[in-house]
Amino acid sequence: DQQVKQNSPSLSVQEGRISILNCDYTNSMFDYFLWYKKYPAEGPTFLISISSIKDKNEDGRFTVFLNKSAKHLSLHIVPSQPGDSAVYFCAASGAGGFKTIFGAGTRLFVKA
Amino acid sequence: DGGITQSPKYLFRKEGQNVTLSCEQNLNHDAMYWYRQDPGQGLRLIYYSQIVNDFQKGDIAEGYSVSREKKESFPLTVTSAQKNPTAFYLCASRTQGGIQYFGAGTRLSVL
Repeated sequence: DQQVKQNSPSLSVQEGRISILNCDYTNSMFDYFLWYKKYPAEGPTFLISISSIKDKNEDGRFTVFLNKSAKHLSLHIVPSQPGDSAVYFCAASGAGGFKTIFGAGTRLFVKA
Repeated sequence: DGGITQSPKYLFRKEGQNVTLSCEQNLNHDAMYWYRQDPGQGLRLIYYSQIVNDFQKGDIAEGYSVSREKKESFPLTVTSAQKNPTAFYLCASRTQGGIQYFGAGTRLSVL
């Protein structure tokens, strides 16, 4: 049972345009959501997070939106750069929980 | 430099052999984790430890064992009972705020 789903295995975007990566979750007890970025043969690195008490969090070119009623979050990258090409994982955890559930990832290609 | 150190980077296992993957952190985090990543898949939780001398099974613990004798160290043993061990293994530690920091990973292959 996948509690965190990233339904798009890959996404291709032109440099300078917006990249939108989507994530859906099923467990209404999740209250903290994170995005990680991963390059091949490396560990994931933390990108941005959002608490369930917010619906938007912004950090430079990266913005995460949370729609609790739809159990959906998205990561917007504007403008996209070739160095953003990587696999992006959506993750979620519950209140005080030590377990974090990861999605399967979306591979982003940013074309120059 | 603070961070998570995993070793070795590449590891080969013979049939029937147990192998141990090392994970050390100097971030002073209480919680540590082991994940497995297979091609085209996300991260699946093997074991996690919230504090020294305590650990819990994750979603795919069968064929694996761990210990947490020191705060800095959380080694993972892949036993001969794990019939499909070929994968990329990631260790992480977690801040109080819930952010996980990952090591560079160990790629395990079967000879």
